[in-house]
Order: sequence, then C-alpha cells, then structure tokens
Amino acid sequence: QAVVTQEPSLTVSPGGTVTLTCASSTGAVTSANFPNWFQQKPGQAPRTLTSSTNDRHSWTPARFSASLLGGKAALTLSGVQPEDEADYYCLLYHGGVQVFGGGTRLTVL
Amino acid sequence: QVQLVQSGAEVKKSGASVRVSCKTSGYTFNRFGISWVRQAPGQGLEWLGWISPDNGHTDYSQKVQGRVTMTTDTSTSTAYMELRSLRSDDTATYYCARSQGDISFDFWGQGSLVTVSS
Repeated sequence: QAVVTQEPSLTVSPGGTVTLTCASSTGAVTSANFPNWFQQKPGQAPRTLTSSTNDRHSWTPARFSASLLGGKAALTLSGVQPEDEADYYCLLYHGGVQVFGGGTRLTVL
Repeated sequence: QVQLVQSGAEVKKSGASVRVSCKTSGYTFNRFGISWVRQAPGQGLEWLGWISPDNGHTDYSQKVQGRVTMTTDTSTSTAYMELRSLRSDDTATYYCARSQGDISFDFWGQGSLVTVSS
C-alpha cells in the first residue's frame, strides 16, 4: 500500500505564508490522486478544506489554496491567522484505495 | 442543511463486534457516497472504506478487510459500519463523511468513540 508523507510540524508567524506538502511513495502526485485537504482542531471532527486538487468549499477561507507543486500536492496558507493553528491532513486516491498522510501540526507563533 | 449525526460512544470487549450508525439529512442520500475514517487516541486519520448508497458498492482498506462491513438503509438515509473481532488497537473515534463517489469529501459526522477493553 502507498505511504503518504507530510511534514510533521511547521511554524509560521501571523500574517505570514506557509506551504504544506503531501508526497506519495508511488511517485509524483497528479490530479488522478484527487487530493483532499482537511483541518482538525483539538477535540473536533476534521473539516474539509479542499477536494480534488483545488475545489475550495463554501466555508473555506480564500487564504487556503491547494495545488500540485513539484510532484506533490500542496496547501498554501497566505496571511495566516491565529485560528489557523491546527493539524492538517492530506488524502490521496490510489486506484480504489484512499490513503491519509500522517498530518502536519501547524503552529502560529 | 447537510447533517451527518453519528451514534454514541461504545465500550466493547475484545473479540466483540460494534456497529456505528451515521444518520444523514439535508440531501438526496443516494447521490453521494459515505466514507468511514477512524482516529486512534493521539494519532492521525485512517481511511477504512466507503459505500455507495446507490448500488451498495464498497471498497475497504486492506487493514480491516474481512472484519468490516459497511451498509446503508436508504429508507432512513442512514449508513452503518460494523467492525468484528475487535481488538485493543481498534480503540478510536470513528467518523463518517459524505463523499462524491470515494473521491471528494465534504461534510463530516461528529465522531463516535469506540473503546475496546480486554
């Protein structure tokens, strides 16, 4: 089964920009992996930010942007807010099987 | 508005089975898949599988294949996930999520804590 890798932790200053990435052990991530990105805060259920590469949901702030970058899926946060401090997970489709990344803990300091 | 409301917490003995329900409302049930995800305490998310309420098609992760069954009741717009032969490492919060097929997720349930004790 594929292994999906994310940065374990990142730190960003308020108002700054940060990019989280999501790599697959099977090779370059493409649109055929239909990347999903999720945000999870302590004690809460995950919340979907984007689906299928960059389908932002109605509740997702415009500062969140998903893309494919250098063979990986990427989530860029521009103008980071204190409330963006959370765990972020990507999910990649591998032919009938979905695989989550291990998650990135984003600290806003 | 779209809602997914899950059943309450369960405590089970090793070797037992558990069934978690996910009652949906606010949309046409047959038009979207239901995916199941779990999260062990302090750990990341793990995809378990999905079901199409339209035709009953399922895909399961290799890790739970053979122990899990996902079903739906279209008359009540409810999805179910049954996990058998429970062991301690099945202790987790189980989530259902609405999905377009098994590709794009959007709405999530609130989660159901399943605790397996020996």
